[in-house]
Amino acid sequence: DGGITQSPKYLFRKEGQNVTLSCEQNLNHDAMYWYRQDPGQGLRLIYYSQIVNDFQKGDIAEGYSVSREKKESFPLTVTSAQKNPTAFYLCASRLNSPYNEQFFGPGTRLTVL
Amino acid sequence: KQEVTQIPAALSVPEGENLVLNCSFTDSAIYNLQWFRQDPGKGLTSLLLIQSSQREQTSGRLNASLDKSSGRSTLYIAASQPGDSATYLCAVSPRRGNTPLVFGKGTRLSVIA
Repeated sequence: DGGITQSPKYLFRKEGQNVTLSCEQNLNHDAMYWYRQDPGQGLRLIYYSQIVNDFQKGDIAEGYSVSREKKESFPLTVTSAQKNPTAFYLCASRLNSPYNEQFFGPGTRLTVL
Repeated sequence: KQEVTQIPAALSVPEGENLVLNCSFTDSAIYNLQWFRQDPGKGLTSLLLIQSSQREQTSGRLNASLDKSSGRSTLYIAASQPGDSATYLCAVSPRRGNTPLVFGKGTRLSVIA
């Protein structure tokens, strides 16, 4: 069953801790994306990767880091430098062509205690 | 810079009504436009993808149109049902290399039984 999985569904973090959100896809998509969604706001792009071992900053990359060592995986680390990390995080992917459809994972809700 | 606007931000209709959701974009240089649905606390589900050369796409009770020259798209929902209640987002793929989608903030639809 092809798709995008994100884990965990809910994540709680103490202030000052780094946490890593997982995103895996078995769609053979080249491009992967991380978005942040806050209540009442639209999606904001954090980082994206169009090919293994390469990634670009989005609109709100500060306080976040990513890696792309495998085509299927694009983990996002929320560092202690991120001032307001509580949010809903969404991962997405598509074939590396602007003509193709983009698909999303189910999301991870991160809460900082 | 491409901007995508969705008006209204929220809409409430009685069950059975046909309705139209609007999406406008500032730069007509796009590869395609995609409509998504998001249920509370969930990821985005792709509904329809319209390539720039197409005028419309249909899926069941949904029909999306695209007028690239005027920078507008509409999502028509026929015979609305309470299960259609969700937030609907549109996104364009800018014709600038292979850049990420640009999203609108969405229209929150409530269909009242």
